[in-house]
Amino acid sequence: DQQVKQNSPSLSVQEGRISILNCDYTNSMFDYFLWYKKYPAEGPTFLISISSIKDKNEDGRFTVFLNKSAKHLSLHIVPSQPGDSAVYFCAASGGYSGAGSYQLTFGKGTKLSVIP
Amino acid sequence: DGGITQSPKYLFRKEGQNVTLSCEQNLNHDAMYWYRQDPGQGLRLIYYSQIVNDFQKGDIAEGYSVSREKKESFPLTVTSAQKNPTAFYLCASSGGAWNQPQHFGDGTRLSIL
Repeated sequence: DQQVKQNSPSLSVQEGRISILNCDYTNSMFDYFLWYKKYPAEGPTFLISISSIKDKNEDGRFTVFLNKSAKHLSLHIVPSQPGDSAVYFCAASGGYSGAGSYQLTFGKGTKLSVIP
Repeated sequence: DGGITQSPKYLFRKEGQNVTLSCEQNLNHDAMYWYRQDPGQGLRLIYYSQIVNDFQKGDIAEGYSVSREKKESFPLTVTSAQKNPTAFYLCASSGGAWNQPQHFGDGTRLSIL
């Protein structure tokens, strides 16, 4: 039973345009969400996170939006650059609620290709 | 530089053999984790440790063992009981608070000869 779902295995975007990566979750106990970027044969790199008390968090070109009622979060990258081409993983944890406080549950990833 | 070091980067195992993957961190993090990634899949948690001399099973602990004798080190042993060990193994650490992200090493790719 997948608790964190990334329904788009891949996404192609033109350089300079917006990239929107989506993630859905089913476990209502999740209250801390993260996005990671991963290149082949390397470990994931932390990008940005959001806790359930917020609905938006920004860091430079990256913005994460959280819709708790829909159990949905998204990562916006503006403007997209060729160096952003990678696999992006969404992850969630029970966080402060204590349900598996230290465990992250990952989606299967979305491969983003930014076309010059 | 602070970070997480995994070694070796590539490892080959013969049938029936145990192998140990190394993970060292100098971030002074309390919590450490081991994940497995298979092609087209997300990361799945094998074991985690929140403090020295204590560790907990994750979702796919069968066929694996760990130890946490030092804060900096969290080695993973893939035993002969793990029937499908070929995968990319990732070690991570975090400060341990609920709202601190996990940071990852560059992984070890294990293959069966």
